[in-house]
Amino acid sequence: DAGVIQSPRHEVTEMGQEVTLRCKPISGHNSLFWYRQTMMRGLELLIYFNNNVPIDDSGMPEDRFSAKMPNASFSTLKIQPSEPRDSAVYFCASSPQGAQTDTQYFGPGTRLTVL
Amino acid sequence: DQQVKQNSPSLSVQEGRISILNCDYTNSMFDYFLWYKKYPAEGPTFLISISSIKDKNEDGRFTVFLNKSAKHLSLHIVPSQPGDSAVYFCAASVSYNAGNMLTFGGGTRLMVKP
Repeated sequence: DAGVIQSPRHEVTEMGQEVTLRCKPISGHNSLFWYRQTMMRGLELLIYFNNNVPIDDSGMPEDRFSAKMPNASFSTLKIQPSEPRDSAVYFCASSPQGAQTDTQYFGPGTRLTVL
Repeated sequence: DQQVKQNSPSLSVQEGRISILNCDYTNSMFDYFLWYKKYPAEGPTFLISISSIKDKNEDGRFTVFLNKSAKHLSLHIVPSQPGDSAVYFCAASVSYNAGNMLTFGGGTRLMVKP
């Protein structure tokens, strides 16, 4: 079975450019999460969707960040405009129902470098 | 303010010995705890979990201990193997939150030497 798919795996862009990260959750999973990993702050939850609806976006750092989930099989995280401090690895994860004991399955991540 | 802390950024252990990874938390509302393991260039993968109604959970070579009064949990790996070399994240969640949102610690890099 395919796991969580993220694209691109690596992205290098210049400050001020728009960046779009993509995620395809595991089929049948109802919950989707976007995380950011940095050396300073570890793994931070950015936003959580359940049944395609954003439930908690309190982790989204600034208005420059936005996320959408137009359907059950696709989500995007957009940064516009990007800044060097946005450089990090961004992970998408999905889980079956969003129950507390549900395991979250992570994608391989997108390594973003903003020059 | 980090609610979940892993104070040791790295740990080095000899193959065959015990690895003990520690995690502290500050939010007394956390009632479900997990450990994830991460290899380079991969996403984290679930390893083991424990509910706050228990103080120990065991799965093969991996055991998680929870001390609620101290707000501390630990992961024991016995015996340690070179393939266990990875970054280990502890995470916690609160049952009253919508869904299973996790708060992660900063991670501990475990190196198991052959």
